[in-house]
Amino acid sequence: DVKVTQSSRYLVKRTGEKVFLECVQDMDHENMFWYRQDPGLGLRLIYFSYDVKMKEKGDIPEGYSVSREKKERFSLILESASTNQTSMYLCASSFAGNTEAFFGQGTRLTVV
Amino acid sequence: AQSVTQPDIHITVSEGASLELRCNYSYGATPYLFWYVQSPGQGLQLLLKYFSGDTLVQGIKGFEAEFKRSQSSFNLRKPSVHWSDAAEYFCAVGAPGGSYIPTFGRGTSLIVHP
Repeated sequence: DVKVTQSSRYLVKRTGEKVFLECVQDMDHENMFWYRQDPGLGLRLIYFSYDVKMKEKGDIPEGYSVSREKKERFSLILESASTNQTSMYLCASSFAGNTEAFFGQGTRLTVV
Repeated sequence: AQSVTQPDIHITVSEGASLELRCNYSYGATPYLFWYVQSPGQGLQLLLKYFSGDTLVQGIKGFEAEFKRSQSSFNLRKPSVHWSDAAEYFCAVGAPGGSYIPTFGRGTSLIVHP
């Protein structure tokens, strides 16, 4: 079974903190994604990576950055957390081409 | 660019009743289509997918979906709903060729009454 693991299920951080969300996949997938999920808005793409050290902005990249130093790991970084970044964050991965994405369990981040 | 519309924010059904969740997509050619389910506090799980061929696809948990090119639709159906089907359902579209970035609808929340 494909496994996508997010390092934390729940996270509480203070405004202004630098926050790291980690995601690891074990299926040698080329593509990795970070989505943000908010009620009524569905899943919105933050960043996408199709290879090591490669990244592309999604629909809502402002306030976020990413890092992909190894193929299996894709990190989402909140440079200076703000309360409007309180949300559920979902990591996903897939093979190159057009196959389904596999999702992690999600990280519910609360910024206070 | 592709897009997905799920017209229903909430759907309420009684246990044992049939279910149909609507999904309409916008894409210039035949896209790849997916339905995912998300239980509370969990990630998304793939229910079924359509790439090509038979337009009626079967998925897990007794779900099926039918691709209708003329209506740009990919509606999800189940003949008899169980209380455990209460969840959020997402339709997604992918563009064949090139990097795959799935685009998701806003989701439909299914409520099941006993």
